[in-house]
Amino acid sequence: GAVVSQHPSRVICKSGTSVKIECRSLDFQATTMFWYRQFPKQSLMLMATSNEGSKATYEQGVEKDKFLINHASLTLSTLTVTSAHPEDSSFYICSARALTGATPLHFGNGTRLTVT
Amino acid sequence: DQQVKQNSPSLSVQEGRISILNCDYTNSMFDYFLWYKKYPAEGPTFLISISSIKDKNEDGRFTVFLNKSAKHLSLHIVPSQPGDSAVYFCAAPRWGGKLIFGQGTELSVKP
Repeated sequence: GAVVSQHPSRVICKSGTSVKIECRSLDFQATTMFWYRQFPKQSLMLMATSNEGSKATYEQGVEKDKFLINHASLTLSTLTVTSAHPEDSSFYICSARALTGATPLHFGNGTRLTVT
Repeated sequence: DQQVKQNSPSLSVQEGRISILNCDYTNSMFDYFLWYKKYPAEGPTFLISISSIKDKNEDGRFTVFLNKSAKHLSLHIVPSQPGDSAVYFCAAPRWGGKLIFGQGTELSVKP
């Protein structure tokens, strides 16, 4: 089946630094990738939609200058959390949509970000 | 505005019995629903889906029922197994493939 790889699986960083998270579709081409965030015991909240070769679309309330998204190829999207703060500590999950546009989406295994 | 709601944060069931997880939605334009299973520190895994043209979809031990008039769907797992213990999310796609998730229900199946 379709596989989405997310890296790193966990990262600890100091407040004020930036962290990059990668999302790759391993055996299919993804025109669209989605970035979600999940706080403990809460739902998955969509942060932004990443389209290959164009600017990402951010959901209301998500700071685009803080969460930089780049979708440079049909198999790779990156999320960079800039100037991270402790409140950015969360579980970040990407998902990818195949060229066919089929649902369901395939999800990566997530990245646990801890900002100290 | 929570368009997809799972009002039970947790459910405990004995092994071998039926697990019933519920989900309600508010947007009558939703025409497709999915259930995902999620273990801690992992991404969600697709389980089963249903189109609004159906009222039931079955896949092995998993059956999803859809009641459009009540804007309600449920996931039945029978018989429940300890390995089914996880958090279950129902979701509905918006335009562009975005998924709106419910809050999740943590299922615990006890041996």
